[in-house]
Amino acid sequence: AQSVSQHNHHVILSEAASLELGCNYSYGGTVNLFWYVQYPGQHLQLLLKYFSGDPLVKGIKGFEAEFIKSKFSFNLRKPSVQWSDTAEYFCAVRSVNTDKLIFGTGTRLQVFP
Amino acid sequence: EAGVVQSPRYKIIEKKQPVAFWCNPISGHNTLYWYRQNLGQGPELLIRYENEEAVDDSQLPKDRFSAERLKGVDSTLKIQPAELGDSAVYLCASSLPGLYGYTFGSGTRLTVV
Repeated sequence: AQSVSQHNHHVILSEAASLELGCNYSYGGTVNLFWYVQYPGQHLQLLLKYFSGDPLVKGIKGFEAEFIKSKFSFNLRKPSVQWSDTAEYFCAVRSVNTDKLIFGTGTRLQVFP
Repeated sequence: EAGVVQSPRYKIIEKKQPVAFWCNPISGHNTLYWYRQNLGQGPELLIRYENEEAVDDSQLPKDRFSAERLKGVDSTLKIQPAELGDSAVYLCASSLPGLYGYTFGSGTRLTVV
């Protein structure tokens, strides 16, 4: 069965620190990969997505993610976080065969000035 | 372009009462999804529509939940009767077929007391 794991449940950083949030999935077929962000009181917004091609994907607000197929991973990175990055981050995987989008449990990021 | 519109934003009901949520997807998006997000969890798929056809409702608790998408545009999700455990945020999303992401609405926060 398709599943997504986000091992970091809660991350606390100071401004300007580097960020890496882990995401691993289990599914043997072809997948599309997404990172969504949910700012406090707001709806889910797409940060970036991977469908094919260059495994290093750049998204909005300076975020990037790297798809490592051999590790079934799609980790999210940002070299220098800002206070405004405080939010919940969700990794999601869609099976190309079933078109089913499955979310991880999310990582809560708190950035302190 | 208008995003995915959901109403109401908030709903408080007593247990055993019925409740309905409404979703208006982005114009031209033929795929529509209903997700449920419990506190501290990632969204979980309830049902997916391709136009007016429900193509995946395997996660929908059919004893009390029902959904419809008449004419392949707007959709409603109903719970009857509601239980305390149904308290959650109900999210609607829509997408185009192919290599596109999903656009989420702001959700309806349901509290069952």
